Amino acid sequence: GDSVTQMEGPVTLSEEAFLTINCTYTATGYPSLFWYVQYPGEGLQLLLKATKADDKGSNKGFEATYRKETTSFHLEKGSVQVSDSAVYFCALSSQAAGNKLTFGGGTRVLVKP
Amino acid sequence: SAVISQKPSRDICQRGTSLTIQCQVDSQVTMMFWYRQQPGQSLTLIATANQGSEATYESGFVIDKFPISRPNLTFSTLTVSNMSPEDSSIYLCSVEGTGEKLFFGSGTQLSVL
Repeated sequence: GDSVTQMEGPVTLSEEAFLTINCTYTATGYPSLFWYVQYPGEGLQLLLKATKADDKGSNKGFEATYRKETTSFHLEKGSVQVSDSAVYFCALSSQAAGNKLTFGGGTRVLVKP
Repeated sequence: SAVISQKPSRDICQRGTSLTIQCQVDSQVTMMFWYRQQPGQSLTLIATANQGSEATYESGFVIDKFPISRPNLTFSTLTVSNMSPEDSSIYLCSVEGTGEKLFFGSGTQLSVL
C-alpha cells in the first residue's frame, strides 16, 4: 500500500537558518503530494502541493519539488522564522487508494530566536 | 475554503465511558473524514462519513467502537465508546476541498484515565 516516510524530529534551528525536511513515498501510479503544517494549538492546514512530476509547490517561502525518479518531496525554506515553529506532515493522495490521504509521521520544527 | 468547528477541544474521561465529538462545517460537503493522531504519531484515517449512508471504516476500526453520525451535509459526530487509556489521542474532523485538499478542524484532545 501507499506509505510516506519523513525525517524524525525534533529539528531545532536558529532564526534565518536553512530548513530541509526530507520526505519519500511509496505509491502506485502517480500520486499527488502535499505538505501540511500544524501550528501549536491549531488544526492541520495545507502548506503546499504538487500534482505531477517536476512540479514545484511553494507557499510562505517554503518550496518542495515532486521528484518521481527519487520518489521524494523534500520541504525547504531558505530562512526560517520563529513563527515557522510547527509540526510538518508530508502526505500523498493516489487514485489507487481512492484519493485518501496517507500521512507521514510528522516532523516537529523548533526555531529559536 | 471551509471553516470547521470541532468540540470539545479537549476532555479528560474515565475508562469505560464514551465521548461524542461534534464537527460543524460552514458549508455543505459530501464527504467528511475522521482521523486519529496518537501521541507522537501521524494521522490515521478512522472512517469516511457520507450523508445518507453508513460510514466506511478503515482497517482496524469498527462501528461498535467508533459510531459515526452524519445527519446532514454540514454536521457529523464521532463517538469513542467504552474508552480505555489506549484511546488517548487527538481526534480530527476534516472535509475535502477542491484539488484533493483537505481542511481540518482544530481537533479534540482526549485523555482517558
